[in-house]
Amino acid sequence: DAGITQSPRHKVTETGTPVTLRCHQTENHRYMYWYRQDPGHGLRLIHYSYGVKDTDKGEVSDGYSVSRSKTEDFLLTLESATSSQTSVYFCAISEGGQGRVEQFFGPGTRLTVL
Amino acid sequence: QKEVEQDPGPLSVPEGAIVSLNCTYSNSAFQYFMWYRQYSRKGPELLMYTYSSGNKEDGRFTAQVDKSSKYISLFIRDSQPSDSATYLCAPSTSGTYKYIFGTGTRLKVLA
Repeated sequence: DAGITQSPRHKVTETGTPVTLRCHQTENHRYMYWYRQDPGHGLRLIHYSYGVKDTDKGEVSDGYSVSRSKTEDFLLTLESATSSQTSVYFCAISEGGQGRVEQFFGPGTRLTVL
Repeated sequence: QKEVEQDPGPLSVPEGAIVSLNCTYSNSAFQYFMWYRQYSRKGPELLMYTYSSGNKEDGRFTAQVDKSSKYISLFIRDSQPSDSATYLCAPSTSGTYKYIFGTGTRLKVLA
């Protein structure tokens, strides 16, 4: 298994509070991604990173920010959580490069915003 | 119109059946076509992928891409109860390393 961990694995929080989810990899892969998974929508990309301090938005980035200060860590922050952000969040990593398109996924974080 | 369409199922089949899972897509720039398998409460894992058109076989699994009709298929032969999972198609354009995931098809193989 690819060395990807996510913390916390479960979190319950209240509307309006800030939340930070952490993704940690031991594979030294260049690309890191944050997705959310919701019934009827599948996996949707929130933000991704193509290197330290290099990030870009995905299709559902509103209300989320990210930071990557080290190769191994990619943080996802909900500045002021809303109930619509209740979801399962997955981190993924990818080596990149010609033909190296496989993304490896972490175990997920189940977030509930009350 | 969504870029990738996939029937959510559930699809229930008896053990040993041949299963056909399908996606359609709209972006002709897609070059890589992934199939991920996701067990309940787990992260997705790559099952197999093809580049451009054609078929690819891996054991009981065959992935097929028809770029002329923008149609992606995954066939599972001799299906087993352990194949019960959600299968997600995920095409990607070359070089972007970003996928567009289908919603996933939930498969149940009954013993």
